[in-house]
Amino acid sequence: SYELTQPSSVSVSPGQTARITCSGEILTKKSTRWFQQKAGQAPVLVIYKDSDRPTGISERFSGSSSGTTVTLTISGARIEDEADYYCYSPADKSWVFGGGTKLTVL
Amino acid sequence: QEQLVQSGGGVVPPGRTLRLSCAASGFNLRSYGIHWVRQAPGKGLEWVAFMSYDGAIEYYADSVKGRFTISRDNAKNSLFLLLNSLRGEDTAVYYCARQEWERWGQGTLVTVSS
Repeated sequence: SYELTQPSSVSVSPGQTARITCSGEILTKKSTRWFQQKAGQAPVLVIYKDSDRPTGISERFSGSSSGTTVTLTISGARIEDEADYYCYSPADKSWVFGGGTKLTVL
Repeated sequence: QEQLVQSGGGVVPPGRTLRLSCAASGFNLRSYGIHWVRQAPGKGLEWVAFMSYDGAIEYYADSVKGRFTISRDNAKNSLFLLLNSLRGEDTAVYYCARQEWERWGQGTLVTVSS
């Protein structure tokens, strides 16, 4: 089975840039999505096809890919960006989520 | 407004069956594949199952294969997840999500406990 590895937590001060990585062999073959999940809410898609933003998602969110690692970058982090972030990739007749990263902005 | 509205969660003893529903509002569900994803308390997201727009393709995670079954009723614009032989480790919030992941249901809690 495939695995996607994320850091368990990332902390930044307001206004700084937050970077959350996701690593896995499957990422060399498939494009990635990123989801934001705030406490008690359903996840929200923030990045698809490695670097595209859905309508309505702030330009402060961006994605990049290099080899077996993809990165979600949040520029000018705000308090409201505090959330859990999950990467995801399609695999062979299945879909795989990373373990999630808790972003703290304080 | 396009929405997925879920229902059907609850508390059930181990070994019992539960059916979850995912109803589409504001769009035609028959044009979309649907995923089911779950999240155990305090844990991350786990993909559970997928059905294609026409019902021709079904995929399941190994952890639920043979116990969970997806079905759809296009006349009711709804999709269902039948959870059989439930175990304690199936306790989670279950979400349905549209194929491209841009629409999610609100989630429904399933608690397996005697």
